Amino acid sequence: KAGVTQTPRYLIKTRGQQVTLSCSPISGHRSVSWYQQTPGQGLQFLFEYFSETQRNKGNFPGRFSGRQFSNSRSEMNVSTLELGDSALYLCASRADRASDTQYFGPGTRLTVL
Amino acid sequence: GENVEQHPSTLSVQEGDSAVIKCTYSDSASNYFPWYKQELGKRPQLIIDIRSNVGEKKDQRIAVTLNKTAKHFSLHITETQPEDSAVYFCAALRASGTYKYIFGTGTRLKVLA
Repeated sequence: KAGVTQTPRYLIKTRGQQVTLSCSPISGHRSVSWYQQTPGQGLQFLFEYFSETQRNKGNFPGRFSGRQFSNSRSEMNVSTLELGDSALYLCASRADRASDTQYFGPGTRLTVL
Repeated sequence: GENVEQHPSTLSVQEGDSAVIKCTYSDSASNYFPWYKQELGKRPQLIIDIRSNVGEKKDQRIAVTLNKTAKHFSLHITETQPEDSAVYFCAALRASGTYKYIFGTGTRLKVLA
């Protein structure tokens, strides 16, 4: 099976712009979670989607949003970008909410200038 | 709220020595405990995991132990090699209710040749 894929892999934006990142989970996986990782920092949980519904949410401002499509692909959007949004954004998928093993994608590295 | 404490944040060992990383979780409903290794510039990769009905699991040079009573679990790496240098994350999954994955803050392991 193909692994979790994310596009684009690298992105450069300027302050005030918005950005959309995409994640395709492993085939058959229905739960997708998003994380933000800044240099030297851990994995900050953004949100989890399952069956096109947000199931869990981390402590991020409303500028961060996401959605999931019927084929389980997910997108996250960041509006009004700030310099501090520069980070590696990782998505992870697992078969369903009760499944345990979660697999990560390669990430999208976002740089905000 | 739920959290996972991970110690130490950095660890340096001589090649060939053992390394131990410890995590403590707060949610007694957690029943799955994976460990991820993240090399520089790469995605976190699952290296070993343990379920709550098991006390210890080994895979070659790595092992994980779980003490449910104390809510502790640990990663043990024996005969460390330079390629073990990476950031290691522990996590706990609550497999009911919120089905939330909670990650530790990470341990940067340096294996000195």
